[in-house]
Amino acid sequence: GAVVSQHPSRVICKSGTSVKIECRSLDFQATTMFWYRQFPKQSLMLMATSNEGSKATYEQGVEKDKFLINHASLTLSTLTVTSAHPEDSSFYICSASPRGTSGGRGTDTQYFGPGTRLTVL
Amino acid sequence: DAKTTQPTSMDCAEGRAANLPCNHSTISGNEYVYWYRQIHSQGPQYIIHGLKNNETNEMASLIITEDRKSSTLILPHATLRDTAVYYCIVRVAGTASKLTFGTGTRLQVTL
Repeated sequence: GAVVSQHPSRVICKSGTSVKIECRSLDFQATTMFWYRQFPKQSLMLMATSNEGSKATYEQGVEKDKFLINHASLTLSTLTVTSAHPEDSSFYICSASPRGTSGGRGTDTQYFGPGTRLTVL
Repeated sequence: DAKTTQPTSMDCAEGRAANLPCNHSTISGNEYVYWYRQIHSQGPQYIIHGLKNNETNEMASLIITEDRKSSTLILPHATLRDTAVYYCIVRVAGTASKLTFGTGTRLQVTL
């Protein structure tokens, strides 16, 4: 199956610093990747859609200047949390669908990374 | 995307079949039914998906009613490692198509 990795798996940082999270598709190319956030005991909330070679599309209420997304290649998207504060502490998860012919079963199934736990002190 | 409703929680004895229901009464003709699960502190894991026919893979079976307004995920022989939150999601096909997660069903498999 398609594999998505994230790095780091967990990070602790001081308030006011910036943190970069990487999302990689290991065995497929992805034109589109997605970033989610999950607070304790809650479901996943979509933050933004990352498009290779173009600007990300942010969901309503997500600050694009605070959560910078760069999708520089077909296998890598990065999320940078700028000037992090304790309320940004959360579980950040990315997903991607293999780029391929449409219509085939499973070719547009989203596969998720293992997640990055961010703690801002 | 159409919304889904699932029971908040379910219990299942190890070795027995776990049947997880999902209602999606407003599903559109071009929307698939996807099932994912999330084990604590991990990213969601894809299980199975279908459009209108029943589907089976190495993990589970998906039964979709003829009117497509509901479906059931079946784990034929649940184990303790199947304890997780199971999400039923309806979504149109396409690599840029979003997944909208609801609250899911927390399945607890017990000895």
